[in-house]
Amino acid sequence: AQSVTQPDIHITVSEGASLELRCNYSYGATPYLFWYVQSPGQGLQLLLKYFSGDTLVQGIKGFEAEFKRSQSSFNLRKPSVHWSDAAEYFCAVGPGNSGNTPLVFGKGTRLSVIA
Amino acid sequence: EAGVAQSPRYKIIEKRQSVAFWCNPISGHATLYWYQQILGQGPKLLIQFQNNGVVDDSQLPKDRFSAERLKGVDSTLKIQPAKLEDSAVYLCASSLFHSYRNTEAFFGQGTRLTVV
Repeated sequence: AQSVTQPDIHITVSEGASLELRCNYSYGATPYLFWYVQSPGQGLQLLLKYFSGDTLVQGIKGFEAEFKRSQSSFNLRKPSVHWSDAAEYFCAVGPGNSGNTPLVFGKGTRLSVIA
Repeated sequence: EAGVAQSPRYKIIEKRQSVAFWCNPISGHATLYWYQQILGQGPKLLIQFQNNGVVDDSQLPKDRFSAERLKGVDSTLKIQPAKLEDSAVYLCASSLFHSYRNTEAFFGQGTRLTVV
C-alpha cells in the first residue's frame, strides 16, 4: 500500500531564509507526487506535481520540488521564504496510472515564518 | 470563476446527533470528492463521485456516513449518529474529470465539525 511520511511536524524559518520540507513515499510503481499548501481556515491548494520527465518540478509561488527515486523522496524547496508562506504543507502520492486509487496524504508540516 | 462552496463553515453537535454538510462544486466539474481531515493528519478520501455515480467509497464508514450527489452537481454528506471521533474538517473538492495527470482538484474551505 502506498504511504507518505513527512518527518517534520513543525518547522520555523526566518523570512528570507531558504526552506526545504521533506517528503518520503512508499509505492511499488512509479508514483504521481504532489505538494499542497493549506493556509489557516482554507482548503488545499496545489503547489506542484510530478508525473514523469524532468525530476526538478517548478510550481507556483516560487516553490520547486525534486523527485529522487533512489531515495524515495520528493522534497519541497524555496530559496527565500516570505511571511505569507506560513501555512501547512502536505505531500501526497497517487498511482502512476489512470486508475481511481485515491491520493494518500502525509500528515503535514506546519511552517512558521519569523521576522 | 467561483470556487468550491461549502456550508456550514462550523458546526458543533452532541454525540449521537445528526449533521449534514453541503458542497457546491465548480460549474462543469464532473468529479467531486469528500475528504475528512482529522487534526494533525492529512486529508483522507471518504467518497468520490463521477457525475452522480459513486466511483470510490471504500473508506466511508457506511454504518453512519452517507453521501449523495443528485443531478451530478451539489452534494450532501451526512453523519448519523455522530461520534466523538468524527470531529474533523470535512473538505469538498471538485475537478473537471478524474485524472491526476491532466486536471487539478480544487478544494473548498471545509466544514469544521466538533462533536461534544
